[in-house]
Amino acid sequence: QVQLVESGGGVVQPGRSLRLSCAASGFTFSSYGMHWVRQAPGKGLEWVAFILYDGSQYYADSVNGRFTISRDNSKNTLYLQMNSLRVEDTAVYYCATGGSGTKIDYWGQGAPVTVSS
Amino acid sequence: DVVMTQSPLSLPVTLGQPASISCRSSQSLEYSDGISYLNWFQQRPGQSPRRLIYKASNRDSGVPDRFSGSGSGTDFTLKISRVEAEDVGVYYCMQGTHWPPITFGQGTRLEIK
Repeated sequence: QVQLVESGGGVVQPGRSLRLSCAASGFTFSSYGMHWVRQAPGKGLEWVAFILYDGSQYYADSVNGRFTISRDNSKNTLYLQMNSLRVEDTAVYYCATGGSGTKIDYWGQGAPVTVSS
Repeated sequence: DVVMTQSPLSLPVTLGQPASISCRSSQSLEYSDGISYLNWFQQRPGQSPRRLIYKASNRDSGVPDRFSGSGSGTDFTLKISRVEAEDVGVYYCMQGTHWPPITFGQGTRLEIK
């Protein structure tokens, strides 16, 4: 069955960087597009970024230029490099499977990120 | 960006009674292939979201048949025929037709009355 396990979350000061990882199993990772979606405390879901199987990347305006989504198909792992972090980036970050970008299928358990001085 | 508007935002329901959640989009979600890429997700307290419905009306594997999705164009509905205690949580609609970006509704909190 599909398993997505995020790691790398934690507490970081504003302006600093953090990298999240998502280890995938149970499906052919290299053939799937993958999303990052976040949820601020007590708030709804916000799409962050998407990477196609071929490496093409797409970003929400709120993170464009600061976050970078990438993948290592040899390790079945998805990444989110987050630079210049802001207090408003505080959220649980979920990785999720997608196809061409039109859908979200399976979700990981989430990695909490807190940006605070 | 496509704005997704859900109503109601809070839904108290008596056990065994039906429930209905509306989701409206600011643009038609019918893609050039005739499909509406509208998904419904359930998020139980303390859990990750789980997809219930895809392409507006297709139930995911393992989802109880008391859940159903309908709609087209800009108006979509998630219905629960008889609410059970395990259905408590927040429900989100999501559009993928006009990506990027993917956009979500604000969420509807279902509680037992």
